[in-house]
This record gives sequence, structure tokens and C-alpha cells, in this order.
Amino acid sequence: AQKVTQAQTEISVVEKEDVTLDCVYETRDTTYYLFWYKQPPSGELVFLIRRNSFDEQNEISGRYSWNFQKSTSSFNFTITASQVVDSAVYFCALRDAGGTSYGKLTFGQGTILTVHP
Amino acid sequence: DTGVSQNPRHKITKRGQNVTFRCDPISEHNRLYWYRQTLGQGPEFLTYFQNEAQLEKSRLLSDRFSAERPKGSFSTLEIQRTEQGDSAMYLCASSLAYNEQFFGPGTRLTVL
Repeated sequence: AQKVTQAQTEISVVEKEDVTLDCVYETRDTTYYLFWYKQPPSGELVFLIRRNSFDEQNEISGRYSWNFQKSTSSFNFTITASQVVDSAVYFCALRDAGGTSYGKLTFGQGTILTVHP
Repeated sequence: DTGVSQNPRHKITKRGQNVTFRCDPISEHNRLYWYRQTLGQGPEFLTYFQNEAQLEKSRLLSDRFSAERPKGSFSTLEIQRTEQGDSAMYLCASSLAYNEQFFGPGTRLTVL
């Protein structure tokens, strides 16, 4: 069975601080995909990034960066110079590459990020 | 707006009543998913359609729940004889093949 663990329930930072959100996953699949979604107070889940299991290159997109380490089954997300608008719940999710799961996402419990001015 | 839309956004009902939610996916997306999210938790998978075929149902989906996607376009999720434990946010997502899923704003159900 697939499992995603986000051990940090809540994080509170002051604007302009860097913050890292942790994600650890479990799967028996050799090929899989990892995702991060953001859920602002409005409630709609916003897709941020998708990474596949055979590409461990870290990625940077503006103030966002992602660190994928297959050896430790982790896919951490860093926001550099955080802003108040980054306040939201962030979810890490896992999906296998096909087979019998039909692409359903397994989500972690989410990390509530609050950025104070 | 070409995103995923869901109606209604909020639904309050009394225990024992039936409710139906609608999801309109992004037009070219052939896959449609329903998830349920309770307070403080991540979304949990309920069911999945590829075009009009319902290909997978979670064990979370009791026999009081039924979903359809006629003609492979919009989808409906019906809950019969609602219970207080059904109170949650019901999320719909769509995707093109195995690409990333895009979510709608959800329908918040409150069962009194």
C-alpha cells in the first residue's frame, strides 16, 4: 500500500524567512510520481509540481525548490524568502505509474504554513 | 473560466436526505476523480472514471454512494440516506491521461 507522511502539522514563520516542508513516502512500485499541491484558504487545491521516480534532479522554480531523494524516500519542498501569500495548507501526494491504481493520488495529511508579516 | 467546476459549493441537509453533487471537468480531460476531504486531513480517493466508465471505487464508497459520468463529460456523485459522518468537502479532479490532476473548488456538505 502507498503511504505519504508529512510529519510537520503546522509551521509558523516570519515573512522573508526560508521554510522547508518535509514529505516522506512509502511505495512498492519502482516507477511512481510525486506531487505537491497548495490549498489556500479559499479551499481549491492548486497543483505546484510533479516529479517522476527516475529523475532525481532537484528543481527550482522562482522562490520554490524541491529536493527529491530516492534513497531516503523523501520529497521536500522549500520556499525561499516566504511571503504572507504563501500561507496555506501544503499537501504532498504519491501516484504510481499506472497498472491497477488508475492514477489515483495518495495524499499526506498536509502541513499548515502560516507566514506572519 | 476553463477550470474544473463543481456545484453546489455548499450543501446543508438533514440526516436521511439524499444529495447530489455535480462536477464539470476541463473539457479535453478524459479522466475524472472524486475525493473526500475531512477537516485536518488530506483528500482521500473515492472513485475514478475514464471517459464514461467507472473503473475503480474505494472501500470508502459505501453502497449509499453512487457516481455517474454519462457520455464521458460531467459527473454526478449522489449520497443516499445521508449520515452525519458524510459531512466533508467533496473534491472533483480531472486529468488528461496520466498527467497531473486539476481540482475543482469542492462541495462542502454539512449533514445536520
